[in-house]
Amino acid sequence: GENVEQHPSTLSVQEGDSAVIKCTYSDSASNYFPWYKQELGKRPQLIIDIRSNVGEKKDQRIAVTLNKTAKHFSLHITETQPEDSAVYFCAAVGTGRRALTFGSGTRLQVQP
Amino acid sequence: EPEVTQTPSHQVTQMGQEVILRCVPISNHLYFYWYRQILGQKVEFLVSFYNNEISEKSEIFDDQFSVERPDGSNFTLKIRSTKLEDSAMYFCASNQAQSDGYTFGSGTRLTVV
Repeated sequence: GENVEQHPSTLSVQEGDSAVIKCTYSDSASNYFPWYKQELGKRPQLIIDIRSNVGEKKDQRIAVTLNKTAKHFSLHITETQPEDSAVYFCAAVGTGRRALTFGSGTRLQVQP
Repeated sequence: EPEVTQTPSHQVTQMGQEVILRCVPISNHLYFYWYRQILGQKVEFLVSFYNNEISEKSEIFDDQFSVERPDGSNFTLKIRSTKLEDSAMYFCASNQAQSDGYTFGSGTRLTVV
């Protein structure tokens, strides 16, 4: 089945700096890669996703890049704000499984 | 914006007791999922459900677990005989098409004592 690795497990940045979170996946046929933000005690919320037919997608301060050859994808947050502080999870859908497999999460702390 | 609703928000149960966690997915969604998250850990897949049957399940989803869609709106997860290690946040999710992002419910925190 699909295996998703996520790094780093924690990330601390100064307000205004950029943050990058990276994930790798094992199933080369995976075709859908969402990112979720989870605030303390709350549900995961979809913030951006990318499909295997594109290499990059951007939504305001958030962007995701996908390298299918290397089987990795990354989340980029620019001009970070304290309210970006949360746990971020990447996920992927592999063949033979139609449900998302999640990475282990990255705790992002933005220092004011 | 449509929501996935879950009840109860928190349930405490004695070890060995049965629990039923309830979910109401978004009305036009066709695919339903249960995930769990042990405190501080990642979100783990349990089971997916489509067309009134289980479409896939993980190794966590053993004979102690079952799912049901009893009335066309509710989607339930039953744990027959709870163990201490079943303590976790259980999230229900749904989507309209297989390749869409999921909408998660607010979760049920299950505490087994």
